[in-house]
Amino acid sequence: DTGVSQDPRHKITKRGQNVTFRCDPISEHNRLYWYRQTLGQGPEFLTYFQNEAQLEKSRLLSDRFSAERPKGSFSTLEIQRTEQGDSAMYLCASSLGGYGTDTQYFGPGTRLTVL
Amino acid sequence: DAKTTQPNSMESNEEEPVHLPCNHSTISGTDYIHWYRQLPSQGPEYVIHGLTSNVNNRMASLAIAEDRKSSTLILHRATLRDAAVYYCILSRGGSQGNLIFGKGTKLSVKP
Repeated sequence: DTGVSQDPRHKITKRGQNVTFRCDPISEHNRLYWYRQTLGQGPEFLTYFQNEAQLEKSRLLSDRFSAERPKGSFSTLEIQRTEQGDSAMYLCASSLGGYGTDTQYFGPGTRLTVL
Repeated sequence: DAKTTQPNSMESNEEEPVHLPCNHSTISGTDYIHWYRQLPSQGPEYVIHGLTSNVNNRMASLAIAEDRKSSTLILHRATLRDAAVYYCILSRGGSQGNLIFGKGTKLSVKP
């Protein structure tokens, strides 16, 4: 199965530390999305790439957050100076893009705990 | 973005049909209706989508009201594996872009 993969699956860090998550989309998917999900809530959109271009960013994505997708393949999401409020599940999704059916396929997520 | 309203939770018995409702009274003419579900400890999973006509696939059926202000996801025979949170989402023009999730409906399936 060559679905969306995310690494690591779990991350525990201390407040103030930097963390980086990786997402490998389904090959040939040109769109890649990052979402954040806190307990009991639906996922919230963070940012979105079309190939290597970051086309949209949510207001939730503060200056401490940065995402990249070099060469339009895998993506990384970095959080600098983590805060306890950053504790959440970070989900990545990919899609083929284009008009019409554009199903997003989600990875299993990275659960971040900030102590 | 148009908003959807779903019940917080529903219960079903195994092997019985389940009808999950969604209200979207402010839907616009180009908004597609998508359903995703999220099993415990997993990322969301696509279920089905439609625009105006009812849709069927191997997982479920989607019944869309004539005025498009509501829709119903139908699981024909619920199994224990269908216990999940089901999200009804609207997107513009078919291209989903970023999905705006609500809290969804938590479906419990009793054996």
